[in-house]
Amino acid sequence: ETGVTQTPRHLVMGMTNKKSLKCEQHLGHNAMYWYKQSAKKPLELMFVYNFKEQTENNSVPSRFSPECPNSSHLFLHLHTLQPEDSALYLCASSQEVLQAEAFFGQGTRLTVV
Amino acid sequence: QKEVEQNSGPLSVPEGAIASLNCTYSDRVSQSFFWYRQYSGKSPELIMSIYSNGDKEDGRFTAQLNKASQYVSLLIRDSQPSDSATYLCAVNMRQAGTALIFGKGTTLSVSS
Repeated sequence: ETGVTQTPRHLVMGMTNKKSLKCEQHLGHNAMYWYKQSAKKPLELMFVYNFKEQTENNSVPSRFSPECPNSSHLFLHLHTLQPEDSALYLCASSQEVLQAEAFFGQGTRLTVV
Repeated sequence: QKEVEQNSGPLSVPEGAIASLNCTYSDRVSQSFFWYRQYSGKSPELIMSIYSNGDKEDGRFTAQLNKASQYVSLLIRDSQPSDSATYLCAVNMRQAGTALIFGKGTTLSVSS
C-alpha cells in the first residue's frame, strides 16, 4: 500500500453530473488536505482537515464539498462543475498541520465537459 | 498577503553542472520550508525540508535558508538528466493558517 492513494486517477464529467473523489492515507497522519493544480498556476489550497475537523476553507465555491469521516479518509464531492474546474486535484496528508511535511497522492485528473 | 515567488524558468544547465533554484516568501514569521520535485504528469514529491537558517545537505541537494532576507534556495550538484522536472518551493505560513503555500515552480532542464 502506498502512503496516500487517490481514486479515480482520471475523471471526465458533464456539468450536470455529481461525482466524488476519494483519498486514503496509510501513514497515520492527523491532517489531510485538498489542493487544486491548474496549468501555469501554483498549487491552490482548497480545504484542510485536522483530526477530522475542517480547519480551513480557502474560499472554495460550494460546488466543491469535502467530507472527512475519519483521519484516514477524505472525499471531495463534486456537483454542477464548470469547465474551468478542470484540473489536477491532489490530496495530501501530514503528521500535523503546522511545520510538517505534506505527502501527496497521485492526483485525480478531472475534465469537465 | 501570502506569497511564495519563484522564477518559472525554464532553467537549463548541462549535465554535471550546479543548478541553483531560488524562492522568496512574504510572511516574515514563517518557520518551515520545503522543496518538492514534480515530474510532468506526476504528483509533487518532497525532496528537502529546512527549518533554521543556514545550509542543509542531503546527497547532491543542498537547501539554504536566510530568514532575514526571506529567501530559500535549492542547489543541485552534479545535475543529471533525471533531475529535469519542476521544483516547487513551499512555505508553512502563519498568515495562511495551517497549510503549505506553494510557489508556481521552476522548471529545470538538464541536458546530456
